Amino acid sequence: GAVVSQHPSWVICKSGTSVKIECRSLDFQATTMFWYRQFPKQSLMLMATSNEGSKATYEQGVEKDKFLINHASLTLSTLTVTSAHPEDSSFYICSAMISSYNEQFFGPGTRLTVL
Amino acid sequence: AQSVTQPDIHITVSEGASLELRCNYSYGATPYLFWYVQSPGQGLQLLLKYFSGDTLVQGIKGFEAEFKRSQSSFNLRKPSVHWSDAAEYFCAVGSLNYGGSQGNLIFGKGTKLSVKP
Repeated sequence: GAVVSQHPSWVICKSGTSVKIECRSLDFQATTMFWYRQFPKQSLMLMATSNEGSKATYEQGVEKDKFLINHASLTLSTLTVTSAHPEDSSFYICSAMISSYNEQFFGPGTRLTVL
Repeated sequence: AQSVTQPDIHITVSEGASLELRCNYSYGATPYLFWYVQSPGQGLQLLLKYFSGDTLVQGIKGFEAEFKRSQSSFNLRKPSVHWSDAAEYFCAVGSLNYGGSQGNLIFGKGTKLSVKP
């Protein structure tokens, strides 16, 4: 149980285009989903927290207009990187949590490369 | 400031040898501690967690960790390493009620484990 999927697993796009990454909790309803960014050989940095049906809460320094998060249902959150640039290339990982269970379940990550 | 320090960036051990990965934390509230493992290009898998109770916690894959409040440490151990244990290991600290609020899981920078045959 407690499986989180991400799609796509990797994506290459041209500079200036937008990319959408999906995060799904497959066998549970996630009250909260988190989006992290991981640079090569670095740790995970929390970008934003999203609760179903409400606006995401962004960490300091994360541009909310660039990284659009939509938590449309209890099983789906999407991260859209708008007008992507090479510096946005990174590994994006989502996690999902059930409010009554203090553990985040992580997705496998999405490798974004912006040319 | 809240932080997690993993002093060892890279550790190499021989297969069958014992392993200890260090983790120190600085946290204002009661810490809830986690160890995750990440294989190349993969997400994170929870190895074990400590919320309260017995300070020696057992996890999956034969790992254990000991919470030492006086040393602000939560070191990960395994008595006999297998080649399949080669991966990146992350220590993290969070608060009990982070559900629904800011997702304040703070991660260390990770320790890469290599295993020699």
